[in-house]
Amino acid sequence: AQKVTQAQTEISVVEKEDVTLDCVYETRDTTYYLFWYKQPPSGELVFLIRRNSFDEQNEISGRYSWNFQKSTSSFNFTITASQVVDSAVYFCALSEAYGGSQGNLIFGKGTKLSVKP
Amino acid sequence: DGGITQSPKYLFRKEGQNVTLSCEQNLNHDAMYWYRQDPGQGLRLIYYSQIVNDFQKGDIAEGYSVSREKKESFPLTVTSAQKNPTAFYLCASSIDWGSVTGELFFGEGSRLTVL
Repeated sequence: AQKVTQAQTEISVVEKEDVTLDCVYETRDTTYYLFWYKQPPSGELVFLIRRNSFDEQNEISGRYSWNFQKSTSSFNFTITASQVVDSAVYFCALSEAYGGSQGNLIFGKGTKLSVKP
Repeated sequence: DGGITQSPKYLFRKEGQNVTLSCEQNLNHDAMYWYRQDPGQGLRLIYYSQIVNDFQKGDIAEGYSVSREKKESFPLTVTSAQKNPTAFYLCASSIDWGSVTGELFFGEGSRLTVL
């Protein structure tokens, strides 16, 4: 069975601190996709990144970076120099690449990040 | 602007009543989804539709019903059979089921409270 674990329920940092959100996943598939979504107070989830299981290169987008390590089944998300606008709930998700369930994303329980000025 | 519109944003219901949540998209997406979010529980899939006139049960479909008569619309009915209906409901869409982009587009959600 597929599972996504976000062990950090809530994190609180002061503006300009770096923060890493952890994501550990379980799957028997050899090909799969991993995602991060952001849920601001307005409620809608916003797509941040998708990574397929064959691509272990780290990715950087502005202040955001992602570290994918298949050896530890982790897909961690780091925000550098955090800002108040980064305050949100962040979800990690997993989907299989084949088999008919590609559209069914398995979400972790989310990590609530609070960035204080 | 293209996007997903959910209504109402807040809804109160008495026990024993059915209620329908609206979800409309103008993104021309084939696939649509309904998720339920409870505090500390993440998102759980209720129903999904890969294409118009088709829908499938997700992980927690009991007590819910859907229809997909139009590509743009995917309403969710929370029936009186749903034991714990108080929750935040999110509608989403994607280009198609299992699209290589994998990106889901979400509405702003509907918060249902049963009194």
